[in-house]
Order: sequence, then structure tokens, then C-alpha cells
Amino acid sequence: GNSVTQMEGPVTLSEEAFLTINCTYTATGYPSLFWYVQYPGEGLQLLLKATKADDKGSNKGFEATYRKETTSFHLEKGSVQVSDSAVYFCALSGYTGGFKTIFGAGTRLFVKA
Amino acid sequence: GAGVSQSPSNKVTEKGKDVELRCDPISGHTALYWYRQSLGQGLEFLIYFQGNSAPDKSGLPSDRFSAERTGGSVSTLTIQRTQQEDSAVYLCASSLALQGRTEAFFGQGTRLTVV
Repeated sequence: GNSVTQMEGPVTLSEEAFLTINCTYTATGYPSLFWYVQYPGEGLQLLLKATKADDKGSNKGFEATYRKETTSFHLEKGSVQVSDSAVYFCALSGYTGGFKTIFGAGTRLFVKA
Repeated sequence: GAGVSQSPSNKVTEKGKDVELRCDPISGHTALYWYRQSLGQGLEFLIYFQGNSAPDKSGLPSDRFSAERTGGSVSTLTIQRTQQEDSAVYLCASSLALQGRTEAFFGQGTRLTVV
């Protein structure tokens, strides 16, 4: 079945550091891929998405590229801020009788001033 | 409505009581999900409704948990004979579930505390 694996956290970085959170997936066909973010005390919200191979999703300085050859969708940001401290979830949605979304376990990011 | 609405936002109940949690999805969204998130943990999938298809109940942790979705819209998650380990935030999400439009939109959740 479909599955998502993302790097375990927590990840602790200093402000302005480069961020990478790894995400790999297993799926049949051509799923859509997502990153969701959950800020402290808030609900989950979509951060970015990519719907086909080689697409790059981007938002708020974050980027992720849909790599079908490596089945990956790693999240990157060139310079993190304290306000980026949150939990990040990688997810996929592929057709298996319906477009059910599968989430990774989440990666908690702490950014220090 | 503009977003996914869940009620109540907080619920404190005594061990052994039954509780009902409600979710109003975004109008027109055919897919609806329930997840559970314990403190500091990830998302635990509970149940998935898609249109008129039979729901995917594979994530329900025990037969004390059940959910229904009436008229393809509002959903209710029921937990019978609550236990302390049921304490968590219960999240509902909905999606258009169309090719290329499958992102899930989440409600703010119901924080359940069993005492």
C-alpha cells in the first residue's frame, strides 16, 4: 500500500540556517505530494504541493521537488526563522479507489534565535 | 461554510461515558477524514469517507469507536465507554478528492480529555 517516511525529529537549527527535511514515499501510479505545517497551538495547514513528477511546490520560502526517480519530496528552506518552528508533515494522495491522503509521522523543527 | 468546522472545541468527560464529536466539512467536499493526535505525536488515521463508497475504517482502534456521515456532509465520531487513553485532539479534514485537487483541509480539532 501507499506509505510516507520522513526523517525523525526533532530538528534544531539556528536562525538563518539551511533546512532540509527528508521525505520518501511508496505509491502506485502518480500520487500528488504535499507538505503540511502545524504551528504551535494551531491546526494543520497546507504548506505546498506538487501534483506531477519534476513539479516544484513553493510557499513562504519553502520548496520541495517531486522526484519520481528517487520517490522523494524533500522540504528545503535556505534561511529559517524562529517563526518557522513547527511540526512538518509530508503526505501523499494517490488513487486507490478514492484519493485517500496518507501522512508521514511528522518532524518537529525548533529554530533558535 | 468557509472552512472545516468541528465541535465542541474542548470536551472533558468522565471515564466510561460516551462522547460525540461533530465535523462540518467544506461544502462540496466528497472526502472526509478523522485523525487523532496525542500530545507531541503524529497523526493517527481513524476513518475515511469518500462519496457513497463504504468508509475505510481500518484505523479505528477498537469497537468503542464508530463514525457516520449523514447525507454526504456532516460527520459524527462516537466514542463509547471512554478511557483515559482516548484523551487526544481529534482532527477532521475534508477534500474535493478530484485528480489534482486532493489536498486536505483541516478543522481546528476537538480536544478530548477523559478524567
